[in-house]
Amino acid sequence: GDSVTQMEGPVTLSEEAFLTINCTYTATGYPSLFWYVQYPGEGLQLLLKATKADDKGSNKGFEATYRKETTSFHLEKGSVQVSDSAVYFCALSDYDNQGGKLIFGQGTELSVKP
Amino acid sequence: DGGITQSPKYLFRKEGQNVTLSCEQNLNHDAMYWYRQDPGQGLRLIYYSQIVNDFQKGDIAEGYSVSREKKESFPLTVTSAQKNPTAFYLCASSLGGKWNQPQHFGDGTRLSIL
Repeated sequence: GDSVTQMEGPVTLSEEAFLTINCTYTATGYPSLFWYVQYPGEGLQLLLKATKADDKGSNKGFEATYRKETTSFHLEKGSVQVSDSAVYFCALSDYDNQGGKLIFGQGTELSVKP
Repeated sequence: DGGITQSPKYLFRKEGQNVTLSCEQNLNHDAMYWYRQDPGQGLRLIYYSQIVNDFQKGDIAEGYSVSREKKESFPLTVTSAQKNPTAFYLCASSLGGKWNQPQHFGDGTRLSIL
């Protein structure tokens, strides 16, 4: 079945460092891919999405490119801030998933130090 | 502002008791979802509904029940049959329940056992 694998956390970076969070997926169909962010005690917020191969999603300085050849959707940011500290979830929704169900990775906790 | 409202924010359950978690949305979305989040894990789908008066089981439906009598409301009941109910519960909605449409999340309800 479909699955999402993220790099394990926690990831600790200094402010202004470069961020990469790896995400790979397995899907039988043609998935859409998403990154969500969760701040402490809150629900998930959509960060960015890509719905077909080679699409690049971007928002708030974060980017991710849908790579079908490597089945990956890695999240990157050129210069992180303390306010980026949160848990990041990669997720997919497959074309043949009834109801648009999301399959989530286990989440990667990011901590940014001043 | 449109969004998803979950209540209460914290809920305590006694042994053998059923409890109901509320989820209301004013986004005029057709599809609604319930997820369970355990520490250090991704989200797992409990139930989803693509249309009023219809819903389907997700991956971990045992011990839970739902109803969808109104488009804007999708309450979740955690029954006494759910032996390990302590978790963070998240409600979400999407416009049409399609694979390429993002889901919007509420701020969650944290359920604990007394």
